[in-house]
Amino acid sequence: EPEVTQTPSHQVTQMGQEVILRCVPISNHLYFYWYRQILGQKVEFLVSFYNNEISEKSEIFDDQFSVERPDGSNFTLKIRSTKLEDSAMYFCASSRFTGELFFGEGSRLTVL
Amino acid sequence: EDQVTQSPEALRLQEGESSSLNCSYTVSGLRGLFWYRQDPGKGPEFLFTLYSAGEEKEKERLKATLTKKESFLHITAPKPEDSATYLCAVQADSGGSNYKLTFGKGTLLTVNP
Repeated sequence: EPEVTQTPSHQVTQMGQEVILRCVPISNHLYFYWYRQILGQKVEFLVSFYNNEISEKSEIFDDQFSVERPDGSNFTLKIRSTKLEDSAMYFCASSRFTGELFFGEGSRLTVL
Repeated sequence: EDQVTQSPEALRLQEGESSSLNCSYTVSGLRGLFWYRQDPGKGPEFLFTLYSAGEEKEKERLKATLTKKESFLHITAPKPEDSATYLCAVQADSGGSNYKLTFGKGTLLTVNP
């Protein structure tokens, strides 16, 4: 069964460092998303991406964040200068059109 | 702004003890309501999509129903392996090319043997 894969599963970084989280969405999907979940809190929308551009972003997705689809398979989330409050689980998701989003297992980011 | 409220926050059941989880929502126009299961440290796993009031979907011991204001996830004769956090999410009919989901906080279900 096709699945969304994310790397790394866990990353520890120092405050102020750049981090790139990587995702391989399901191959025939067209819409891509990043969500985050701070420990004990709800899953929050960060950004959606379609046709090689951002279609919507939340207030959380400020200038420190960027997304890219550098080739036909990868979808990345970059955080330029990490803060303590960026510590969270980051989930990538993809979908064909409307309907269900399929999520990866997540990348746990710990900022020290 | 779309809002999703789930209750209870936590539910503890004995194996075989049936119950229901509630999801109430406000959305400008509902495209779909989704139920996901999330195990600790894992990503949400898709369970059901409901599109219109009166619709029902079933999978093993789970049945999801939808009205114009809320959805219920009924769990019949649960087993310990049903223990997880159950997430409800809505997808708004906002047009454009964005099909993002707005999630509730979830209900943590624990089923004791």
